[in-house]
Amino acid sequence: AQSVTQLGSHVSVSEGALVLLRCNYSSSVPPYLFWYVQYPNQGLQLLLKYTTGATLVKGINGFEAEFKKSETSFHLTKPSAHMSDAAEYFCAVSASTYKYIFGTGTRLKVLA
Amino acid sequence: DGGITQSPKYLFRKEGQNVTLSCEQNLNHDAMYWYRQDPGQGLRLIYYSQIVNDFQKGDIAEGYSVSREKKESFPLTVTSAQKNPTAFYLCASSIEVASAAFFGQGTRLTVV
Repeated sequence: AQSVTQLGSHVSVSEGALVLLRCNYSSSVPPYLFWYVQYPNQGLQLLLKYTTGATLVKGINGFEAEFKKSETSFHLTKPSAHMSDAAEYFCAVSASTYKYIFGTGTRLKVLA
Repeated sequence: DGGITQSPKYLFRKEGQNVTLSCEQNLNHDAMYWYRQDPGQGLRLIYYSQIVNDFQKGDIAEGYSVSREKKESFPLTVTSAQKNPTAFYLCASSIEVASAAFFGQGTRLTVV
């Protein structure tokens, strides 16, 4: 079975500061990992995904994430936060089935 | 443009009435999903379908029903047996196990 834990339901950063959103996963088989962003009253938009290969994955809007098998982590980072990054972020895992398991989300607030 | 269309965006129903949420995709994806989103709980899987005329229960299927008569369509019926149906409902689709899921814009259902 797979599971995802996102540490911190709310994260605040200053504009221009580093964004770090944490995600740890559990999977009995090699996982596929995803980060999504959601703006209010909208669907989820894919930021980036890890399937196989390079462990550092670059996504849209300057975000990237690193797959660390030894730590079972897939943390999301962005060097410099922008006001438009304020949203809710979800980490998700999938494995050998078609099911996607989502974390409970982290709401990012960007302070001017 | 290819994508997933959910309708309506907002839906109000009286308690005890069944209601059907529409989900249509033109991405030619085999798999489709329904998730329920409540504040602080992330996305919970209601039903998913890997191919036409086949679907499986997710984690919170009680009080819901689906059909998959066409590849493009995966409607969700919220029945009167669902004890707390007010929520944000998201439909998604994917092409294969390792690919990301694409989401619709969601339907916010309010039962009064």
